[in-house]
Amino acid sequence: ELKVEQNPLFLSMQEGKNYTIYCNYSTTSDRLYWYRQDPGKSLESLFVLLSNGAVKQEGRLMASLDTKARLSTLHITAAVHDLSATYFCAVDGPRTQGGSEKLVFGKGTKLTVNP
Amino acid sequence: NAGVTQTPKFQVLKTGQSMTLQCAQDMNHEYMSWYRQDPGMGLRLIHYSVGAGITDQGEVPNGYNVSRSTTEDFPLRLLSAAPSQTSVYFCASSFQIRGTGELFFGEGSRLTVL
Repeated sequence: ELKVEQNPLFLSMQEGKNYTIYCNYSTTSDRLYWYRQDPGKSLESLFVLLSNGAVKQEGRLMASLDTKARLSTLHITAAVHDLSATYFCAVDGPRTQGGSEKLVFGKGTKLTVNP
Repeated sequence: NAGVTQTPKFQVLKTGQSMTLQCAQDMNHEYMSWYRQDPGMGLRLIHYSVGAGITDQGEVPNGYNVSRSTTEDFPLRLLSAAPSQTSVYFCASSFQIRGTGELFFGEGSRLTVL
């Protein structure tokens, strides 16, 4: 059974600082997704990582994937208040007998950026 | 662009009542899914579908039914609501070529069961 673990679950940081959120998963997969959720809102896609060594960057956020270590990181550079949100990673699990796949989410990392 | 539309946005039920959460997408996506979000639990997959006429169970399917008669619609039915089903429900879809694909989420439906 695929398990996806994020850490930390809560992160409070000051503006201007750097930090990394980690996403570990338990079974082989080469597709990983990062989503952002603002309080009371829906989820929006941030990054889609489709192969080992994939790196994507958008503004102050950079995501990477190491499929051998079963690890993805979301690095925050020079945080600003607008980045305050909950960040989820999600991993495609193994194909079922029917040929379809399930996306499993981590519990999320609630990021608060303080002035 | 409508994207993924969920109705209703808010609903209060009494224990034992039934209801249907509606989900429609206008992006011609093959893959559709329902998740529930509870504090500290992240998102958990209830049911999903890879195309019209095909559905499968996710992690927490008990108490919920789904059907997929068209590509556009994927309703979620609660047959006999229980307080444990109090949650925020998200419908999501993707253009699945390989894997689940990048999911596009609806705005969510907040359900309270008394």
